[in-house]
Amino acid sequence: EIVLTQSPATLSLSPGERATLSCRASQSVGSYLAWYQQKPGQAPRLLIYDASNRATGIPARFSGSRSGTDFTLTISSLEPEDFAVYYCQQRSSWPRITFGQGTRLEIK
Amino acid sequence: EVELEESGGGLVQPGRSLRLSCATSGFSFEDYAMHWVRQAPGKGLEWVSGISWNSATIAYADSVKGRFTISRDNTKNSLYLQMNSLRADDTALYYCVKDLSITRYYFDQWGRGTLVTVSS
Repeated sequence: EIVLTQSPATLSLSPGERATLSCRASQSVGSYLAWYQQKPGQAPRLLIYDASNRATGIPARFSGSRSGTDFTLTISSLEPEDFAVYYCQQRSSWPRITFGQGTRLEIK
Repeated sequence: EVELEESGGGLVQPGRSLRLSCATSGFSFEDYAMHWVRQAPGKGLEWVSGISWNSATIAYADSVKGRFTISRDNTKNSLYLQMNSLRADDTALYYCVKDLSITRYYFDQWGRGTLVTVSS
């Protein structure tokens, strides 16, 4: 099973700051990685797929990148509504789809 | 507007069965793979099962293989999950999820979820 390790577990930042969230895969997943945002009491929302493609309706301040087995979600300038939990997910090893454990982005 | 509405959750004793349903609208159901993803209380996300547009390809997480059965009815735009031999660690919010495409295995539309609680 491919394990996705997200870091940090919690990130404390202020609105307007830049957020950098990491997801490391235990083995190659190619570019088959997605990012989701989940707010309390809500279902997750797809932000990024194939490592760097923004999903429909996602603001340009969200971007994704890949370097080998390391993936990064960047939020260029945090808006108040961006504080949430973020998950990465790989589909490379279908049907063994796995998620990371999540990073909580909280207001400092 | 895409809508996914789960139903069928509830409190069930260990070893018993439950059938979840997901009614969909707002998109061409027969053109997309569909999935179930669950989230235990206060925990992360776990993919449970997926089914291709024509039911030819079906897959399960190891944790539910042999106990859960996914199915779909394209004439009713509905997805199902038959859950047998339920265990306490199956307790979770179960989301019905639409695939990004025919079979991309990314999840672009989610229902609100239906809560399954397995307890004696």
